[in-house]
Amino acid sequence: DSGVTQTPKHLITATGQRVTLRCSPRSGDLSVYWYQQSLDQGLQFLIQYYNGEERAKGNILERFSAQQFPDLHSELNLSSLELGDSALYFCASSVGTLREYGYTFGSGTRLTVV
Amino acid sequence: SQKIEQNSEALNIQEGKTATLTCNYTNYSPAYLQWYRQDPGRGPVFLLLIRENEKEKRKERLKVTFDTTLKQSLFHITASQPADSATYLCAPMDTGRRALTFGSGTRLQVQP
Repeated sequence: DSGVTQTPKHLITATGQRVTLRCSPRSGDLSVYWYQQSLDQGLQFLIQYYNGEERAKGNILERFSAQQFPDLHSELNLSSLELGDSALYFCASSVGTLREYGYTFGSGTRLTVV
Repeated sequence: SQKIEQNSEALNIQEGKTATLTCNYTNYSPAYLQWYRQDPGRGPVFLLLIRENEKEKRKERLKVTFDTTLKQSLFHITASQPADSATYLCAPMDTGRRALTFGSGTRLQVQP
């Protein structure tokens, strides 16, 4: 157990639907990062939050949004789902600057859009 | 544009040998570089971080080198074991960036 909790582990949904993925960072970590991993794309950075504020944006589609709550858990919302959104979605947290520390990843949510 | 290159072909080696994985990067001036291990269907696990002024870093059977002139990092696993079989990802990091960009990884297969 890495200390980063992601739920649900698996999600199967239909095209056009909306889903919410949840992440609880490791205790004490203020930063949360979301990544998408599909077979042909590798790990793609989506978005980062630090202590409730958005800090960096990557290749996140407009159909996707995220937020970090006062208790530091984060949610990634995916809407108008397409077949191509099927992927593993990882959340990671870090205790401080990436100059000193690495990420701690959760075990991921496997999203299948049918 | 920025590019991170890791050998997409799997590396197959015999148990006990040293595995060497390569990470080349283009249009980066990384202040540091991180290596991760990822097992199928699981989240990556942080292994090592090396800074630009550290030419080499070791942790148990792992060794990482960082050559900013060649724009390359090498990741070595000595006395490899079948349990070392996994995909290894590198992530060079420019100063001022807030999130890591990962290479596509190299899959290592250690044969008993």
